[in-house]
Amino acid sequence: EAEVAQSPRYKITEKSQAVAFWCDPISGHATLYWYRQILGQGPELLVQFQDESVVDDSQLPKDRFSAERLKGVDSTLKIQPAELGDSAMYLCASSRNPHGFLQETQYFGPGTRLLVL
Amino acid sequence: AQSVTQPDIHITVSEGASLELRCNYSYGATPYLFWYVQSPGQGLQLLLKYFSGDTLVQGIKGFEAEFKRSQSSFNLRKPSVHWSDAAEYFCAVGAFGANNLFFGTGTRLTVIP
Repeated sequence: EAEVAQSPRYKITEKSQAVAFWCDPISGHATLYWYRQILGQGPELLVQFQDESVVDDSQLPKDRFSAERLKGVDSTLKIQPAELGDSAMYLCASSRNPHGFLQETQYFGPGTRLLVL
Repeated sequence: AQSVTQPDIHITVSEGASLELRCNYSYGATPYLFWYVQSPGQGLQLLLKYFSGDTLVQGIKGFEAEFKRSQSSFNLRKPSVHWSDAAEYFCAVGAFGANNLFFGTGTRLTVIP
């Protein structure tokens, strides 16, 4: 069964350093999502791509976070500089191209757990 | 705007007992509703989803959920819990015409022998 791949699985960094996370969605999935999950809370959407275009980045802290999906396949989420409050699980999900108004199921990767010291 | 409330932060049940996890949503139109499960340190796995039609939805691992529009609820149930069901459970709502999800804060399930 196809899965969403993410790397690294764990990352420890010091504040003010730069970090990057990678996600490879399920083959053929046009939509890709990055979520942040703070310990004890549900995931919150950071950014949504449709192919290589950003559909929604309203919750992305753009002063320090950036995301790209240059060829419309895999994606990178970057934080620079990292802050203590960025410690969280970063989840990537993908779904098929939406058909009309039908909600397509999102499939999640294993996540990258970030600890900022 | 959509929102999801999971009123139970932590539930403990005995193995073999029945389970019901509560989920209430807020949305002005017919919602798309999901239940996901997350094992420690892992990503989210879809248990079941409701888009339309039959209000009783069957999912994987023996779970089911019932959509009750009058109560704005989508509670998850399982008749007999197994020790491997211990995990965090998230209810989520999607919006008509969009493809993003809003998650509840989750319910942690502990299963005791």
